[in-house]
Amino acid sequence: DAGVTQSPTHLIKTRGQQVTLRCSPKSGHDTVSWYQQALGQGPQFIFQYYEEEERQRGNFPDRFSGHQFPNYSSELNVNALLLGDSALYLCASSLWLGGDGNQPQHFGDGTRLSIL
Amino acid sequence: DQQVKQNSPSLSVQEGRISILNCDYTNSMFDYFLWYKKYPAEGPTFLISISSIKDKNEDGRFTVFLNKSAKHLSLHIVPSQPGDSAVYFCAARNAGNMLTFGGGTRLMVKP
Repeated sequence: DAGVTQSPTHLIKTRGQQVTLRCSPKSGHDTVSWYQQALGQGPQFIFQYYEEEERQRGNFPDRFSGHQFPNYSSELNVNALLLGDSALYLCASSLWLGGDGNQPQHFGDGTRLSIL
Repeated sequence: DQQVKQNSPSLSVQEGRISILNCDYTNSMFDYFLWYKKYPAEGPTFLISISSIKDKNEDGRFTVFLNKSAKHLSLHIVPSQPGDSAVYFCAARNAGNMLTFGGGTRLMVKP
């Protein structure tokens, strides 16, 4: 049973460029959430997708956008990259609203994005 | 504003002893609290959770305590093992299943 998979594992971009990160959720999960983890900090919620719609959004600018496909996989897009966007980007999957209320989110190993 | 805080960036304990990791929160609307463990180059791994209507949940060597009046929770690991050495994140969940994380505590268990 495959867990959450993310690609690529590492990425180097320059300021002003655009990037797309990909996530496949754990089998049986229908909800995907994206988090940004800066060095030495805890993950910060970016947004959450369910039924191909953005359901919740954290305090991130419109440069961050996403998409969910019918097979529940998801993409995170970041436009006009800034040096401060350098971070580990984590994808988490779950059942919608946590299933019975006690179903935790499962995380992938993340994509390390470096902006030069 | 930091809604979830872990005030100890690091903790060192001897193998076999108890590890106690602490977490404070400010938002009374959180409905679940979770602990995740993270090794370098891996994503966070779920450890244990507790509903906001409970005050204790136990799973093997791991016990989480919740004090709602103090808005404080703690994770106890007994006995601590060298393989427990990792960064531990406290997270709080809202009704929409969005997680708010603390900054993490690095636990080092010495043999």
